[in-house]
Amino acid sequence: GESVGLHLPTLSVQEGDNSIINCAYSNSASDYFIWYKQESGKGPQFIIDIRSNMDKRQGQRVTVLLNKTVKHLSLQIAATQPGDSAVYFCAENSNYQLIWGAGTKLIIKP
Amino acid sequence: DAGVIQSPRHEVTEMGQEVTLRCKPISGHNSLFWYRQTMMRGLELLIYFNNNVPIDDSGMPEDRFSAKMPNASFSTLKIQPSEPRDSAVYFCASSFTGSLNYEQYFGPGTRLTVT
Repeated sequence: GESVGLHLPTLSVQEGDNSIINCAYSNSASDYFIWYKQESGKGPQFIIDIRSNMDKRQGQRVTVLLNKTVKHLSLQIAATQPGDSAVYFCAENSNYQLIWGAGTKLIIKP
Repeated sequence: DAGVIQSPRHEVTEMGQEVTLRCKPISGHNSLFWYRQTMMRGLELLIYFNNNVPIDDSGMPEDRFSAKMPNASFSTLKIQPSEPRDSAVYFCASSFTGSLNYEQYFGPGTRLTVT
């Protein structure tokens, strides 16, 4: 029979709008979280990270929000551009390893 | 800095053949990770080395897979014999675990096709 691939959540955003990508993590003891961007044909690339003693951290056009109460992480991208098209992964640390989420595919509509 | 280097970038082989993937981590990094990425299962950690010692190989699928890190600047992932279901993109990543963050730096990957 035909094999079924991993179904990635997809977010479609108009160019110029803000994007919000959400992630739920599993371990309430995790003290470090990280977002990666993976463009087609490339390896994942670091975007931004945050430690558990913070609830917000800003980078260039990106902001990560951490809500430890509900174990939720979000990545906000301001003024989304065509180059932002990619799969975005969140990850949490566990004994020097990263536990990865399934990823969210971001599509930019012209 | 050249970043993490992987070779080959693409490998096509026939079922039953031995495949060796190579990785050169970033100089100064003391941890190295091998991942496999497929549409079916996403990004999976295969094995993790710290200071050249395998720490966690619970992700290695079966005995056909083996990984070595003979020194701090080189690692191999070997599949023998290869099977069509091993077709995937294999990533190597490195990090420095003495820092307060856990950022991993990924190589460009090796796309393996087993026919």
